[in-house]
This record gives sequence, structure tokens and C-alpha cells, in this order.
Amino acid sequence: DAKTTQPPSMDCAEGRAANLPCNHSTISGNEYVYWYRQIHSQGPQYIIHGLKNNETNEMASLIITEDRKSSTLILPHATLRDTAVYYCIVRVEGAGNNRKLIWGLGTSLAVNP
Amino acid sequence: DSGVTQTPKHLITATGQRVTLRCSPRSGDLSVYWYQQSLDQGLQFLIQYYNGEERAKGNILERFSAQQFPDLHSELNLSSLELGDSALYFCASSVPAGSGELFFGEGSRLTVL
Repeated sequence: DAKTTQPPSMDCAEGRAANLPCNHSTISGNEYVYWYRQIHSQGPQYIIHGLKNNETNEMASLIITEDRKSSTLILPHATLRDTAVYYCIVRVEGAGNNRKLIWGLGTSLAVNP
Repeated sequence: DSGVTQTPKHLITATGQRVTLRCSPRSGDLSVYWYQQSLDQGLQFLIQYYNGEERAKGNILERFSAQQFPDLHSELNLSSLELGDSALYFCASSVPAGSGELFFGEGSRLTVL
């Protein structure tokens, strides 16, 4: 699976949108972009995933560039509870490929009051 | 609540000892994954079971072993413990079909003194 590059840390003001970037320039055509987050040593939590179209759910929006070499996770109205480490991962869809996930160090997002 | 249950939440033991960590996956999930997360490190994949059978191995030491039982719960056995084994150990289960996103338990924090 392709590797990803994320900034190590970011800050965001409470109530503002948090935009977390991810570079995945070697992504293959059948690899999806997945986002998870980990709140202070709790188990990682799935957020969203997508292939090439933008995706939105109750937690966040995912914007993938047309060439698929980068993406942005958007938390539209960040709250203090969104303070966490956010992981961007690319992988082929399907449970059988979970063992190949490469978990980097992610982006540590601090939401400030 | 992800639906994945891990016990114990905290465990303190001495070098050379043996411990067992337990995981119950979400209802209906057949796959169980074990991960290790050392301080300020990314998640390291250890091993995966699917419906009672070992499916994949990652960076799992020979001192560690795991199994998945007929009721689908899994146990991770860590023996001859060393100081460096101190870490968070996460269990995850995945949707049996479709995109296969992972659902993590809250983890077991192991401290080896």
C-alpha cells in the first residue's frame, strides 16, 4: 500500500473548520483514502473514506484532488472533543487488506478554545 | 462505543512474566486484528485471525502468540516479558464485507516493570 505524508501537528480555533492535509502521491488506482482518529490513547476511530469523489458524513468531509495525489479532511466546526491524532491511510478496499495498513504518526490536531 | 471489548484495561507486571489479553469483536465480525502501540509510535500490526484461523502475521515476536476461539473472541498471549513490551495493545474487528473499515477496542495498557 502507498505511504502517506501528513504534517505532524496543527492548531485550530474552536468553532472554525479544521482542514487536515494528506499527501499520497504514489497512490494506486484501486486504493482508497481512509481517515481515522485517535483521541488520547483511546482506540482509533474510523472517520471516512473515499476513492476519487468527495465524500461527506456526519463526522467530516473528505476532499480528494482530481489527480488523487492528495486529500483534505475537513471538520466543519471543530470542537474541543476533536482534539486527537488524525491518521490518513491509503489501501485497497476490503477487509482482507487491513493487515497491510501502514499507520504513520498522523497529525496531532489541537482545537483551542 | 465501537462494540469491541478488551480486557483488562490496565495491567502491571514484572519482567519475565506472562500475560493474556482478551478481545471480543463486534457482533457479526469474523476478523480480529491485534496491534501494538508503543509510546509516541504508530500502530504496529501484530496478527490477524479470521473465523478462528490465522490469516496474517505482522511484526509479532516469537514470545507472543494469539488465538481466536469458536465464539470468535481472541486472546493475545505475551510471555517472557521485557521492559520494551510496555505498550498499548489494541484489538480491532472489521466488517466482513464491503469496505472493511476497522473498529477498535479501547486497548489494554501493559506496563512491564
